[in-house]
Amino acid sequence: EVQLLESGGGLVQPGGSLKLSCAASGFTFSIDYAMSWVRQAPGRGLEWVSGITGSGTTTSYAASVKGRFTVSRDNSKNTLILQMRSLRLEDTATYFCARKAGWGRGYYDEWGQGTLVIVSS
Amino acid sequence: YVLTQPPSVSVAPGQTATITCHGDNIATYNVHWYQQRPGRAPVLVVHDDDDRPSGIPERFSGSNSGSPATLTISRVEAGDEADYFCQVWDRTRDPPDVFGTGTMLTVL
Repeated sequence: EVQLLESGGGLVQPGGSLKLSCAASGFTFSIDYAMSWVRQAPGRGLEWVSGITGSGTTTSYAASVKGRFTVSRDNSKNTLILQMRSLRLEDTATYFCARKAGWGRGYYDEWGQGTLVIVSS
Repeated sequence: YVLTQPPSVSVAPGQTATITCHGDNIATYNVHWYQQRPGRAPVLVVHDDDDRPSGIPERFSGSNSGSPATLTISRVEAGDEADYFCQVWDRTRDPPDVFGTGTMLTVL
């Protein structure tokens, strides 16, 4: 059974940093599967945040987080990481990690349950 | 790139619900749909315009033959009440992934 388990969320002050992790299991966390972070502010819709190819060589970011967030992965540890810096109030959201369905596939077939990040003073 | 959905759709049990997804030249993209129940993670219900993942009832179908793209839910059940999001991916675009604004489906 495929599982994606996010961790690392919590309360942080504006300007602070937080590191989110997504532990993957039940499949070969390899170059075949691109991964993304998608967030959802309370009562709002889904917002794509960042993505990384299976090899980890190519990353992309939403304009709202570019320059502040860094996505990475360790395929040997089956882990996806989102390093968040200079956090703002508007970054408050539940952060989901999600798996692209396969090489060249544009949709997400597996999602974690999410980890809540609250940015507040 | 912006994908616009109606904020809400209401339908009686047993009827058909149609949720639309508007975007520029959307017919040139593969459109994917997700269902999200309150407090839960999204679940893929349709991918590549009109394909269903295993385990998704045949009542869920998609179309993208012209604007807008649509998700159709036939014989709606109370358990279908949820938020629905469309999504497209274009590796040449920045950002490559875009989600629709979301539609809350209410079963009357």
